[in-house]
Amino acid sequence: DQQVKQNSPSLSVQEGRISILNCDYTNSMFDYFLWYKKYPAEGPTFLISISSIKDKNEDGRFTVFLNKSAKHLSLHIVPSQPGDSAVYFCAAFDYKLSFGAGTTVTVRA
Amino acid sequence: EAQVTQNPRYLITVTGKKLTVTCSQNMNHEYMSWYRQDPGLGLRQIYYSMNVEVTDKGDVPEGYKVSRKEKRNFPLILESPSPNQTSLYFCASSLSGGSSQGAFFGQGTRLTVV
Repeated sequence: DQQVKQNSPSLSVQEGRISILNCDYTNSMFDYFLWYKKYPAEGPTFLISISSIKDKNEDGRFTVFLNKSAKHLSLHIVPSQPGDSAVYFCAAFDYKLSFGAGTTVTVRA
Repeated sequence: EAQVTQNPRYLITVTGKKLTVTCSQNMNHEYMSWYRQDPGLGLRQIYYSMNVEVTDKGDVPEGYKVSRKEKRNFPLILESPSPNQTSLYFCASSLSGGSSQGAFFGQGTRLTVV
């Protein structure tokens, strides 16, 4: 019973364009939400987080939006760069971290 | 350099042969946890520890044991591995379980049980 769902297993985007990754959750008690990035043969690395009391957090090219009424969050990457090609995991925290299945992003030159 | 170190990186073993995957962090973090990553399922928490001598089950603890005798180390023990434990394992540490700065992950251990 996954509480955090990423329904798009993959995303292909042209370099310079926007990447939008989506995540849905079912637990309204999550305190905050995080995005992790993972390259092959490496562990996930923390990218950006957002508190459940906010609706937007921005860090450079990365912006996370939270829609609590819809139990939905999204990660925007603008502009997309070749180094952004990776697997992105959405995660949410109540008393522990719960992860989505991941979305593989491929940035085309 | 802040890091979480797992060993070994790769391991092939036979069913029933006890094994231990080590995990060490150099950031003086209180919270450590183990995850397994399987296709289509993301990362699922196996066990976590909030401090020395304090451990608890995560989502998929069956077939695993852990110990936390020192703050920096959090080994994962498979007493009698089975093929369904073939997976990619990650150790992670953070200041607290609820750190908005996220957890630091090790590089992973790919385990194959035949």
